[in-house]
Amino acid sequence: EAGVAQSPRYKIIEKRQSVAFWCNPISGHATLYWYQQILGQGPKLLIQFQNNGVVDDSQLPKDRFSAERLKGVDSTLKIQPAKLEDSAVYLCASSRVGGTTNQPQHFGDGTRLSIL
Amino acid sequence: EDQVTQSPEALRLQEGESSSLNCSYTVSGLRGLFWYRQDPGKGPEFLFTLYSAGEEKEKERLKATLTKKESFLHITAPKPEDSATYLCAVETSGSRLTFGEGTQLTVNP
Repeated sequence: EAGVAQSPRYKIIEKRQSVAFWCNPISGHATLYWYQQILGQGPKLLIQFQNNGVVDDSQLPKDRFSAERLKGVDSTLKIQPAKLEDSAVYLCASSRVGGTTNQPQHFGDGTRLSIL
Repeated sequence: EDQVTQSPEALRLQEGESSSLNCSYTVSGLRGLFWYRQDPGKGPEFLFTLYSAGEEKEKERLKATLTKKESFLHITAPKPEDSATYLCAVETSGSRLTFGEGTQLTVNP
């Protein structure tokens, strides 16, 4: 089974610019997550989708971050405008129907974002 | 607020030297506790899920255990390829995972 695909692997931008990340989950996985992982820390959930609906976006900085999951498959995460503190790895994960109990989340290798 | 604390932050072992990593948690309504392994430049890789106190899971040289307040990841006779960061996460209502900051394990040959 193919894993979670993310692109690009690396991105370098200047502060106040915009950036977008793409994620393709494992086939058949209804739930998709975006995490932010700052160097030396554990991943922090930004947003969770169930099919193409948002389940939890309570930790998403909505003034600059946005995400969508059209047709319940691929997803994009956008930052506009970027700040220095947004430098991190952005991880996408997916799991089967409705949450992680009995169904662990499987992660992609992430996009490493550097803000200059 | 859910909290997960992992210790130690870093651990250096000689090959074959067994040890344990700790994950203590304070949550309201634990639905599950997860262990992941993360290699540099990679995403976390799922290892175990534990659901109730007293439960144990094993995989090769790793064994995870769970009490009402903490979980241990025991590593028996580790090899250099076990070197990685080990992350603990708790699942509460709504299937949100809250991660600890991880333990960076180095196994020297």
